[in-house]
Amino acid sequence: AQSVTQLGSHVSVSEGALVLLRCNYSSSVPPYLFWYVQYPNQGLQLLLKYTSAATLVKGINGFEAEFKKSETSFHLTKPSAHMSDAAEYFCAVKLNTNAGKSTFGDGTTLTVKP
Amino acid sequence: DAGVTQSPTHLIKTRGQHVTLRCSPISGHKSVSWYQQVLGQGPQFIFQYYEKEERGRGNFPDRFSARQFPNYSSELNVNALLLGDSALYLCASSSPTGAYEQYFGPGTRLTVT
Repeated sequence: AQSVTQLGSHVSVSEGALVLLRCNYSSSVPPYLFWYVQYPNQGLQLLLKYTSAATLVKGINGFEAEFKKSETSFHLTKPSAHMSDAAEYFCAVKLNTNAGKSTFGDGTTLTVKP
Repeated sequence: DAGVTQSPTHLIKTRGQHVTLRCSPISGHKSVSWYQQVLGQGPQFIFQYYEKEERGRGNFPDRFSARQFPNYSSELNVNALLLGDSALYLCASSSPTGAYEQYFGPGTRLTVT
């Protein structure tokens, strides 16, 4: 079984500030981990993924995440927020034994202030 | 290449009615999964189909069913609609060779009145 906890349902930062979105996971086997972004009335877009290679993963739009097994965390960061980053972000975990089922967190809404 | 497509984009149904949602995966992808996203929550897994066989089912009542066709497109059917079925229904396709990465469609917004 697997689960995901996203700490903080809402995060607000100023434009140009560091973005940090937190994700902790629970998994009985080595997991695959993903971050997705969702803009209003749209589907999910993959930002980045961890698949047991490098623990620091770089994604699109300047985002990156670090897999920390000891902390069971996969936090998402971006050094400098842009207005266009305002959206909802979801962390997801998938077991390598079931390709088709992802378990998602409840999401974090990112607001970027000018 | 076209991404995952879903139809319709929006629909409104009345309690007790039946609905069919459709999904076409990315060309070459043989696995399709369905998710329900209620407002304010993350997507919840409903079904996975691979090579036309059900490979996984989430914690949803039997009113929910799905199937996959020879061309790997898929339908999600929901019978006896309840107000609580109002949600965004997302379809995702994946390739068995892509580290199980899933690609999501834009979703179908279902409103039950």
